Amino acid sequence: QKEVEQDPGPLSVPEGAIVSLNCTYSNSAFQYFMWYRQYSRKGPELLMYTYSSGNKEDGRFTAQVDKSSKYISLFIRDSQPSDSATYLCAMSSGSRLTFGEGTQLTVNP
Amino acid sequence: DTGVSQDPRHKITKRGQNVTFRCDPISEHNRLYWYRQTLGQGPEFLTYFQNEAQLEKSRLLSDRFSAERPKGSFSTLEIQRTEQGDSAMYLCASSFAGGWVEAFFGQGTRLTVV
Repeated sequence: QKEVEQDPGPLSVPEGAIVSLNCTYSNSAFQYFMWYRQYSRKGPELLMYTYSSGNKEDGRFTAQVDKSSKYISLFIRDSQPSDSATYLCAMSSGSRLTFGEGTQLTVNP
Repeated sequence: DTGVSQDPRHKITKRGQNVTFRCDPISEHNRLYWYRQTLGQGPEFLTYFQNEAQLEKSRLLSDRFSAERPKGSFSTLEIQRTEQGDSAMYLCASSFAGGWVEAFFGQGTRLTVV
């Protein structure tokens, strides 16, 4: 069993939709939870990180962590075509990051 | 500073050849990481340095792989006797030691072994 599981998609939504991206994990030692965005043929770009259960908001993005269920989510409000990318969840208990396999998102104009 | 820089961006090599990749981190960052990403998968950790010391290596880093960061600045990743299974994107990232959560990734080196 992988330590981090992420729905690979692909996910296709119309512009303006609310997008929900989700990951589950099995390692209770994970303390930090991150979301990265990766455009095609580019390196991952850090969007948000959090270390506690609850919600963290940054503009149109909201990261949610539920440590009791070992479940994290990223919500994107008012999605835009420029949000089309692969979204990676990542977790850490130390210096190394453990990534999910990524969800490919397409936002259609 | 223009961010983490990796060279080359693309490399095609024949099976059995040796290849070397270079990473130049953000200049103030003392931690440097190497990850490998295959198509449709998330990045997998290979190794990381704090300054010139290699502090952790993944089991993925077989004997054919070696990484160095001789002066605590740029790093090289060498793969000896390449195999087709080594074809992947090799990503470098850097961070402050105290701010390791905020790791910044380079564009990656895409290796194709034919």
